Amino acid sequence: ETGVTQSPTHLIKTRGQQVTLRCSSQSGHNTVSWYQQALGQGPQFIFQYYREEENGRGNFPPRFSGLQFPNYSSELNVNALELDDSALYLCASSLSGTGVWETQYFGPGTRLLVL
Amino acid sequence: GQQLNQSPQSMFIQEGEDVSMNCTSSSIFNTWLWYKQDPGEGPVLLIALYKAGELTSNGRLTAQFGITRKDSFLNISASIPSDVGIYFCAGLYSGAGSYQLTFGKGTKLSVIP
Repeated sequence: ETGVTQSPTHLIKTRGQQVTLRCSSQSGHNTVSWYQQALGQGPQFIFQYYREEENGRGNFPPRFSGLQFPNYSSELNVNALELDDSALYLCASSLSGTGVWETQYFGPGTRLLVL
Repeated sequence: GQQLNQSPQSMFIQEGEDVSMNCTSSSIFNTWLWYKQDPGEGPVLLIALYKAGELTSNGRLTAQFGITRKDSFLNISASIPSDVGIYFCAGLYSGAGSYQLTFGKGTKLSVIP
């Protein structure tokens, strides 16, 4: 158990719809990152939030957006869903600073299917 | 964008054998990370490497940061059944206040008892 929880565990949506995925960070962690993992692929970095602001972003379009709340929980929002958005979405919480990677713990993910 | 070539894609080995996998890139990285992912779970960090040439061990695992900063390898000695899973390398490039983290496609390891 990493202490990082995600909800829901599974989700089915149709093209064009919007989805919100949620992540609860491990206690004391102030940084959260989101990743998209397509079947048979490695995770792809979407973005990272620190102190409620976006702190880094991968090659994802603006319809992927996020929020981090004062209690460090986080949301990933995806608008205008496309079939290729079907994937496992992972969040990871960590402590900022030099130990950010050693303290990064992943949640179990939300599996999204877009029909 | 940056891409990592991770090999092999999969391997079947006998329990007790040593395992070696590697990642190469056309781009340089500041940090190399190695993760293991079990079914239904998120990746778990195994080893982090921060300097070119660095060799780091974690139990039966040993990883090295290539001196060109474009490659890294992971070795597992005396494999056991619980080593089964998918291993990912990840390269981090940071600079000018931003960073990019890139994962390889993974090496699926199967251990035959």
